[in-house]
Amino acid sequence: DAKTTQPNSMESNEEEPVHLPCNHSTISGTDYIHWYRQLPSQGPEYVIHGLTSNVNNRMASLAIAEDRKSSTLILHRATLRDAAVYYCTYGGGYQKVTFGTGTKLQVIP
Amino acid sequence: DAGVIQSPRHEVTEMGQEVTLRCKPISGHDYLFWYRQTMMRGLELLIYFNNNVPIDDSGMPEDRFSAKMPNASFSTLKIQPSEPRDSAVYFCASSFIAGPGNTIYFGEGSWLTVV
Repeated sequence: DAKTTQPNSMESNEEEPVHLPCNHSTISGTDYIHWYRQLPSQGPEYVIHGLTSNVNNRMASLAIAEDRKSSTLILHRATLRDAAVYYCTYGGGYQKVTFGTGTKLQVIP
Repeated sequence: DAGVIQSPRHEVTEMGQEVTLRCKPISGHDYLFWYRQTMMRGLELLIYFNNNVPIDDSGMPEDRFSAKMPNASFSTLKIQPSEPRDSAVYFCASSFIAGPGNTIYFGEGSWLTVV
């Protein structure tokens, strides 16, 4: 099972950048790092994934440490709609995907 | 493109009754997952299938729970008999193995209350 460590909660002011950290020290060389988020009363949704290089998409950026034991999800300008629980996980291929407790992000207007 | 479809969205049932939750994965996906989410235990993986075959059911809490996948487009999670502690949100999810890693797509969940 994927073993990840994330802060339980974080706060951000609206329109400011947010950096959500995750430690995944037991990751193997072929595991992809995935981030998901869960908005209130909805199922988790995919945010971004990466293997080694930093990644950008329309939702966020993913910064991966050189040793791959940690990563950071970056929301460039937090909005109220970004208030959610953010989960990082890792795996690939035939591994089952498990989730930790995630980080609850509160966005302050 | 339709996402993962779950039914019912909400169910309230009495203790001892049988509950059947249904899931239609995204067409072409070859992995299907059932998760359960509660405040106390978070998001737990119950069982997952690959090409309709159960691969790992170690997360199934007890014999009252069973899951089947008779074909690539349908799966059920059954609880018999149901108990109040089974009250939770049950998510079905699917993924495509040939994609990068295991990007999983979740349904909207089935909210179960056992009274």
